[in-house]
Amino acid sequence: DAGVTQSPTHLIKTRGQQVTLRCSPKSGHDTVSWYQQALGQGPQFIFQYYEEEERQRGNFPDRFSGHQFPNYSSELNVNALLLGDSALYLCASSFGGEQFFGPGTRLTVL
Amino acid sequence: KQEVTQIPAALSVPEGENLVLNCSFTDSAIYNLQWFRQDPGKGLTSLLLIQSSQREQTSGRLNASLDKSSGRSTLYIAASQPGDSATYLCAVKSNQAGTALIFGKGTTLSVSS
Repeated sequence: DAGVTQSPTHLIKTRGQQVTLRCSPKSGHDTVSWYQQALGQGPQFIFQYYEEEERQRGNFPDRFSGHQFPNYSSELNVNALLLGDSALYLCASSFGGEQFFGPGTRLTVL
Repeated sequence: KQEVTQIPAALSVPEGENLVLNCSFTDSAIYNLQWFRQDPGKGLTSLLLIQSSQREQTSGRLNASLDKSSGRSTLYIAASQPGDSATYLCAVKSNQAGTALIFGKGTTLSVSS
Protein backbone atom coordinates (compact mmCIF):
# COMPACT_ATOMS: atom_id res chain seq x y z
CA ASP A 1 0.00 0.00 0.00
CA ALA A 2 1.56 3.28 -1.15
CA GLY A 3 -0.30 5.33 1.44
CA VAL A 4 -1.41 8.86 0.64
CA THR A 5 0.55 10.42 -2.22
CA GLN A 6 0.73 14.05 -3.29
CA SER A 7 2.16 15.85 -6.29
CA PRO A 8 4.13 17.89 -6.93
CA THR A 9 6.53 17.92 -3.97
CA HIS A 10 7.50 21.56 -4.43
CA LEU A 11 6.07 24.38 -6.49
CA ILE A 12 7.08 28.00 -7.07
CA LYS A 13 4.53 30.45 -8.46
CA THR A 14 4.20 34.22 -8.74
CA ARG A 15 1.43 36.39 -7.37
CA GLY A 16 -1.78 36.27 -9.41
CA GLN A 17 -1.10 32.86 -10.91
CA GLN A 18 -3.21 29.76 -10.45
CA VAL A 19 -2.05 26.39 -9.07
CA THR A 20 -3.38 22.82 -8.95
CA LEU A 21 -2.24 20.30 -6.35
CA ARG A 22 -3.06 16.60 -6.53
CA CYS A 23 -3.71 13.86 -4.00
CA SER A 24 -4.24 10.12 -4.23
CA PRO A 25 -5.79 8.59 -1.12
CA LYS A 26 -4.76 5.46 0.72
CA SER A 27 -6.24 2.31 -0.79
CA GLY A 28 -9.81 1.77 0.41
CA HIS A 29 -10.29 5.36 1.60
CA ASP A 30 -13.17 7.34 0.14
CA THR A 31 -12.77 10.69 1.89
CA VAL A 32 -10.13 13.33 1.19
CA SER A 33 -9.41 16.41 3.30
CA TRP A 34 -7.07 19.30 2.51
CA TYR A 35 -5.15 21.36 5.07
CA GLN A 36 -2.87 24.41 4.84
CA GLN A 37 0.09 24.64 7.20
CA ALA A 38 1.95 27.93 7.46
CA LEU A 39 5.45 27.94 8.93
CA GLY A 40 5.39 27.39 12.68
CA GLN A 41 1.64 26.80 12.78
CA GLY A 42 -0.63 23.80 13.03
CA PRO A 43 -2.52 22.68 9.91
CA GLN A 44 -5.73 24.59 9.10
CA PHE A 45 -8.67 22.75 7.53
CA ILE A 46 -9.57 23.91 4.00
CA PHE A 47 -12.27 21.47 2.88
CA GLN A 48 -13.26 17.83 2.65
CA TYR A 49 -14.57 15.76 -0.25
CA TYR A 50 -16.73 12.66 -0.07
CA GLU A 51 -18.55 11.00 -2.96
CA GLU A 52 -17.27 13.72 -5.30
CA GLU A 53 -18.99 16.45 -3.28
CA GLU A 54 -17.58 19.09 -0.93
CA ARG A 55 -18.90 17.92 2.43
CA GLN A 56 -17.39 20.50 4.76
CA ARG A 57 -15.41 23.72 4.33
CA GLY A 58 -13.16 25.69 6.63
CA ASN A 59 -12.67 29.45 6.74
CA PHE A 60 -10.97 29.86 3.36
CA PRO A 61 -11.99 32.20 0.49
CA ASP A 62 -13.57 31.03 -2.75
CA ARG A 63 -10.16 31.30 -4.43
CA PHE A 64 -9.64 27.84 -2.94
CA SER A 65 -11.63 25.18 -4.76
CA GLY A 66 -11.41 21.46 -5.18
CA HIS A 67 -12.60 18.38 -6.92
CA GLN A 68 -12.83 14.68 -6.21
CA PHE A 69 -12.77 12.11 -9.00
CA PRO A 70 -14.63 8.76 -9.18
CA ASN A 71 -11.44 6.95 -8.12
CA TYR A 72 -11.44 9.14 -4.94
CA SER A 73 -8.33 11.11 -5.93
CA SER A 74 -8.61 14.84 -5.43
CA GLU A 75 -7.32 18.20 -6.64
CA LEU A 76 -6.93 21.49 -4.80
CA ASN A 77 -7.01 24.61 -6.96
CA VAL A 78 -5.96 28.06 -5.79
CA ASN A 79 -6.64 31.09 -8.02
CA ALA A 80 -5.14 34.59 -7.89
CA LEU A 81 -2.27 33.51 -5.65
CA LEU A 82 -1.19 35.80 -2.82
CA LEU A 83 2.12 35.87 -0.96
CA GLY A 84 0.22 34.62 2.08
CA ASP A 85 -0.72 31.41 0.27
CA SER A 86 2.86 30.21 0.66
CA ALA A 87 2.58 27.13 2.87
CA LEU A 88 2.75 23.36 3.08
CA TYR A 89 -0.48 21.88 1.69
CA LEU A 90 -1.40 18.57 3.23
CA CYS A 91 -3.87 15.99 1.99
CA ALA A 92 -5.42 13.43 4.33
CA SER A 93 -7.55 10.42 3.50
CA SER A 94 -9.89 8.44 5.71
CA PHE A 95 -12.60 5.81 5.71
CA GLY A 96 -14.91 6.80 8.53
CA GLY A 97 -12.31 7.42 11.21
CA GLU A 98 -8.58 7.96 11.54
CA GLN A 99 -7.03 10.35 9.03
CA PHE A 100 -3.78 9.49 7.27
CA PHE A 101 -1.67 12.29 5.83
CA GLY A 102 0.46 12.55 2.73
CA PRO A 103 3.93 14.13 2.56
CA GLY A 104 2.57 17.50 1.47
CA THR A 105 3.24 19.98 -1.33
CA ARG A 106 5.39 22.98 -0.48
CA LEU A 107 4.02 26.02 -2.34
CA THR A 108 6.10 29.19 -2.55
CA VAL A 109 4.50 32.33 -3.95
CA LEU A 110 6.94 35.07 -5.06
CA LYS B 1 -15.46 27.39 18.61
CA GLN B 2 -13.01 24.61 19.42
CA GLU B 3 -9.46 25.73 20.22
CA VAL B 4 -6.46 23.49 20.86
CA THR B 5 -3.41 24.63 22.82
CA GLN B 6 -0.11 22.81 23.24
CA ILE B 7 2.37 23.55 25.99
CA PRO B 8 5.31 23.91 25.91
CA ALA B 9 5.99 25.26 22.41
CA ALA B 10 9.52 23.83 22.54
CA LEU B 11 11.34 21.36 24.76
CA SER B 12 14.99 20.23 24.95
CA VAL B 13 15.96 17.15 26.94
CA PRO B 14 18.97 14.83 27.21
CA GLU B 15 18.72 11.31 25.83
CA GLY B 16 17.07 8.81 28.15
CA GLU B 17 14.77 11.24 29.90
CA ASN B 18 11.05 10.57 30.26
CA LEU B 19 8.89 13.50 29.16
CA VAL B 20 5.30 14.71 28.93
CA LEU B 21 3.74 16.86 26.24
CA ASN B 22 0.49 18.63 27.02
CA CYS B 23 -2.59 19.37 24.92
CA SER B 24 -5.72 21.20 26.02
CA PHE B 25 -8.98 21.84 24.17
CA THR B 26 -11.86 24.19 24.97
CA ASP B 27 -14.90 22.09 23.97
CA SER B 28 -15.12 18.68 25.65
CA ALA B 29 -17.63 17.39 23.05
CA ILE B 30 -15.02 15.63 20.94
CA TYR B 31 -15.29 12.49 18.83
CA ASN B 32 -11.62 11.54 19.10
CA LEU B 33 -8.12 12.94 19.61
CA GLN B 34 -5.01 12.15 17.58
CA TRP B 35 -1.34 12.73 18.27
CA PHE B 36 0.91 13.23 15.24
CA ARG B 37 4.62 13.52 14.65
CA GLN B 38 6.02 15.88 12.00
CA ASP B 39 9.63 15.99 10.86
CA PRO B 40 10.85 19.31 9.38
CA GLY B 41 9.16 20.06 6.06
CA LYS B 42 7.43 16.69 5.99
CA GLY B 43 3.89 15.35 6.32
CA LEU B 44 2.23 14.09 9.48
CA THR B 45 2.65 10.60 10.91
CA SER B 46 -0.19 9.42 13.15
CA LEU B 47 1.13 8.16 16.48
CA LEU B 48 -1.94 7.44 18.58
CA LEU B 49 -5.71 7.80 18.21
CA ILE B 50 -7.90 7.96 21.31
CA GLN B 51 -11.65 7.62 20.93
CA SER B 52 -13.81 9.80 23.19
CA SER B 53 -14.85 6.73 25.22
CA GLN B 54 -11.23 5.75 25.94
CA ARG B 55 -8.89 7.00 28.67
CA GLU B 56 -5.55 6.09 27.13
CA GLN B 57 -3.69 4.40 24.29
CA THR B 58 -0.19 2.93 24.21
CA SER B 59 2.24 2.20 21.41
CA GLY B 60 5.76 1.14 22.31
CA ARG B 61 7.40 3.92 24.32
CA LEU B 62 4.43 6.25 23.78
CA ASN B 63 1.39 6.59 26.00
CA ALA B 64 -1.41 9.07 25.43
CA SER B 65 -4.12 9.85 27.94
CA LEU B 66 -7.42 11.67 27.54
CA ASP B 67 -9.50 13.49 30.16
CA LYS B 68 -12.50 14.88 28.31
CA SER B 69 -14.08 16.50 31.35
CA SER B 70 -11.04 18.70 31.93
CA GLY B 71 -10.27 19.14 28.22
CA ARG B 72 -6.77 17.70 28.46
CA SER B 73 -4.57 15.09 26.85
CA THR B 74 -0.97 14.17 27.54
CA LEU B 75 1.60 12.34 25.45
CA TYR B 76 4.18 10.51 27.55
CA ILE B 77 7.44 9.50 25.88
CA ALA B 78 9.59 7.05 27.82
CA ALA B 79 13.36 6.82 27.54
CA SER B 80 13.66 9.52 24.88
CA GLN B 81 16.09 9.06 21.96
CA PRO B 82 17.64 11.53 19.50
CA GLY B 83 15.39 10.02 16.81
CA ASP B 84 12.38 11.29 18.73
CA SER B 85 13.36 14.86 17.82
CA ALA B 86 10.44 16.30 15.84
CA THR B 87 7.33 18.44 16.24
CA TYR B 88 4.42 16.73 17.98
CA LEU B 89 0.91 17.88 17.07
CA CYS B 90 -2.34 17.23 18.87
CA ALA B 91 -5.64 17.33 16.95
CA VAL B 92 -9.27 16.86 17.97
CA LYS B 93 -12.23 15.82 15.89
CA SER B 94 -15.31 17.57 17.15
CA ASN B 95 -18.56 15.64 16.94
CA GLN B 96 -20.38 18.91 16.51
CA ALA B 97 -18.41 20.26 13.57
CA GLY B 98 -18.31 16.94 11.84
CA THR B 99 -15.17 15.62 10.39
CA ALA B 100 -12.46 18.31 10.35
CA LEU B 101 -9.45 17.96 12.61
CA ILE B 102 -8.62 21.01 14.74
CA PHE B 103 -4.89 21.22 15.43
CA GLY B 104 -2.72 22.83 18.04
CA LYS B 105 0.48 24.60 17.02
CA GLY B 106 2.65 21.75 18.20
CA THR B 107 5.52 21.14 20.58
CA THR B 108 8.99 20.98 19.02
CA LEU B 109 11.09 18.38 20.84
CA SER B 110 14.87 18.18 20.70
CA VAL B 111 16.62 15.19 22.28
CA SER B 112 20.38 15.50 22.62
CA SER B 113 22.78 12.56 22.79
